[in-house]
Amino acid sequence: AQKITQTQPGMFVQEKEAVTLDCTYDTSDPSYGLFWYKQPSSGEMIFLIYQGSYDQQNATEGRYSLNFQKARKSANLVISASQLGDSAMYFCAMRARDTGRRALTFGSGTRLQVQP
Amino acid sequence: NAGVTQTPKFQVLKTGQSMTLQCAQDMNHEYMSWYRQDPGMGLRLIHYSVGAGITDQGEVPNGYNVSRSTTEDFPLRLLSAAPSQTSVYFCASSYVSDGSQEQYFGPGTRLTVT
Repeated sequence: AQKITQTQPGMFVQEKEAVTLDCTYDTSDPSYGLFWYKQPSSGEMIFLIYQGSYDQQNATEGRYSLNFQKARKSANLVISASQLGDSAMYFCAMRARDTGRRALTFGSGTRLQVQP
Repeated sequence: NAGVTQTPKFQVLKTGQSMTLQCAQDMNHEYMSWYRQDPGMGLRLIHYSVGAGITDQGEVPNGYNVSRSTTEDFPLRLLSAAPSQTSVYFCASSYVSDGSQEQYFGPGTRLTVT
């Protein structure tokens, strides 16, 4: 079974500062992928970044980077230079890579508010 | 590409009514799934399909049926709606071949059962 834990229900950050959103996971799958999605108030799910369990380097996508620490089973999202438009819910999710199931297991999310 | 489309966007049902939430994708994805999102929670898997004619249950399947007669469509049927099924429903799709592929989500259907 897979489990994702996001322990920060809400976070505040000043515009232009960096913020880290925490995510820890548990799985028995030897190969897996970790994802972060953004959900603005309009409700859609927006894919941000992906990290494979065997990837040697931490993933980066523009202002988003994933701080992957496999031994600690953590996959924290770092947003650099926060913008007002970053205010949203952020979900960490994982899926197994070696099964056909392909389902995502989600955490409960972190609500980020960027203050001017 | 329209991506993943869902209809309707909003729906209000009375307890005991049945209805079908529609989901379609035009990306030739083998994998399709339905999630529900309750207030303050992440998404939970209801049912999924890895190809036409193949479906399986997810974490919270009770009260829902699915079928997959084509690659493009994956409707979700509520058999007898209950207030506990008030939620936002998301359909998603992706390729099966590689678990690194992101899932593409539809815009969601907000369902209220009174």
